[in-house]
Amino acid sequence: EAGVAQSPRYKIIEKRQSVAFWCNPISGHATLYWYQQILGQGPKLLIQFQNNGVVDDSQLPKDRFSAERLKGVDSTLKIQPAKLEDSAVYLCASSSSNEQFFGPGTRLTVL
Amino acid sequence: KQEVTQIPAALSVPEGENLVLNCSFTDSAIYNLQWFRQDPGKGLTSLLLIQSSQREQTSGRLNASLDKSSGRSTLYIAASQPGDSATYLCAVRGNYGQNFVFGPGTRLSVLP
Repeated sequence: EAGVAQSPRYKIIEKRQSVAFWCNPISGHATLYWYQQILGQGPKLLIQFQNNGVVDDSQLPKDRFSAERLKGVDSTLKIQPAKLEDSAVYLCASSSSNEQFFGPGTRLTVL
Repeated sequence: KQEVTQIPAALSVPEGENLVLNCSFTDSAIYNLQWFRQDPGKGLTSLLLIQSSQREQTSGRLNASLDKSSGRSTLYIAASQPGDSATYLCAVRGNYGQNFVFGPGTRLSVLP
């Protein structure tokens, strides 16, 4: 079975620019998560989708971050405008029941 | 609010040693706990998932235990190998539809 796909793998932008990340979950997984992982820390949940509905976005900085999951399959996470402190790895995960499966992540560097 | 800690932050052992990684959580009302491995520059790989009703899970040289009442889980790695070098993270999911909360991880180095 194919795993969780993410693109791009790396992105370098300047502060105040915009950036978007894409995630394609494992086929059939209804739940999709976006996490932010800052160097040396564990992942922090940004948003959880159940099919195409948002279940939890309490930790999403909504003034600059947005996410959507049209048609309940793949998802995009956008940052506009980016700040220096947004430099991190953005991880996408999916699950069908209890266990989470993660993609390789997108490493974002904001200069 | 659930808080998860992992001790030690880093560990270096010679090849062949048995070792234990620790994970502690503040709220014992958990649904399950999952251990992950993360290699540098990579995503997370699931190792073991323990439901709240279980006491332990085993996979190959790995054994994870759960003691909800004391808010602790341990990951035991037998006969460690250099290929086990990675960061190990635990994540706890709460009972009431809450999402996973991750610990900061333990960075393991197994020396040949």
